[in-house]
Amino acid sequence: DARVTQTPRHKVTEMGQEVTMRCQPILGHNTVFWYRQTMMQGLELLAYFRNRAPLDDSGMPKDRFSAEMPDATLATLKIQPSEPRDSAVYFCASGLVSDGAVRVSKNIQYFGAGTRLSVL
Amino acid sequence: GESVGLHLPTLSVQEGDNSIINCAYSNSASDYFIWYKQESGKGPQFIIDIRSNMDKRQGQRVTVLLNKTVKHLSLQIAATQPGDSAVYFCAEIPLLGGYQKVTFGTGTKLQVIP
Repeated sequence: DARVTQTPRHKVTEMGQEVTMRCQPILGHNTVFWYRQTMMQGLELLAYFRNRAPLDDSGMPKDRFSAEMPDATLATLKIQPSEPRDSAVYFCASGLVSDGAVRVSKNIQYFGAGTRLSVL
Repeated sequence: GESVGLHLPTLSVQEGDNSIINCAYSNSASDYFIWYKQESGKGPQFIIDIRSNMDKRQGQRVTVLLNKTVKHLSLQIAATQPGDSAVYFCAEIPLLGGYQKVTFGTGTKLQVIP
């Protein structure tokens, strides 16, 4: 049963520490998304990758957040330095969209279970 | 900017009754809509989708209705069960294909009373 895998599931850290969250997208998917979910803001898009290239990171605080895809099986989201206001659940999602190599008629994102981050 | 919102933040229904969850969207150019279900401690899960050229789509116990005239989307759950308790999000996508920024609604919490 294919699924998006996120690690760690929970992370508690102190303010100022670096946090790295990892995501393994579903094999064969060509898009990866990072979202942040809070009670106040709901689901916010932080970054979007297609075929490993970053296409949209307009929702991400540039001074402390960075997102990368070192290879097709791994996406990372880093926060350095972390702050208490970064406390949230971070979701990774992957999907398949039409591009030169594939044509699809749907646009469904499949979400991981999330990383619950607490910055003290 | 364009946004997707929900009328009711919390909905309580008796087990066995039908549930209707509503969603208003503001981007008339949106072409594709999805309902997601998020259970406690989990990520959102796809339930059902609908294209803008359709008014209604049915799945297993769920039906999505789209009214483009008033830009309204609804999710109907038949014979609601305790396992349906979750937060439901509607999502709006401008166009299929290429890069599509999905706009999620704020969510409606469905509570099923046994």
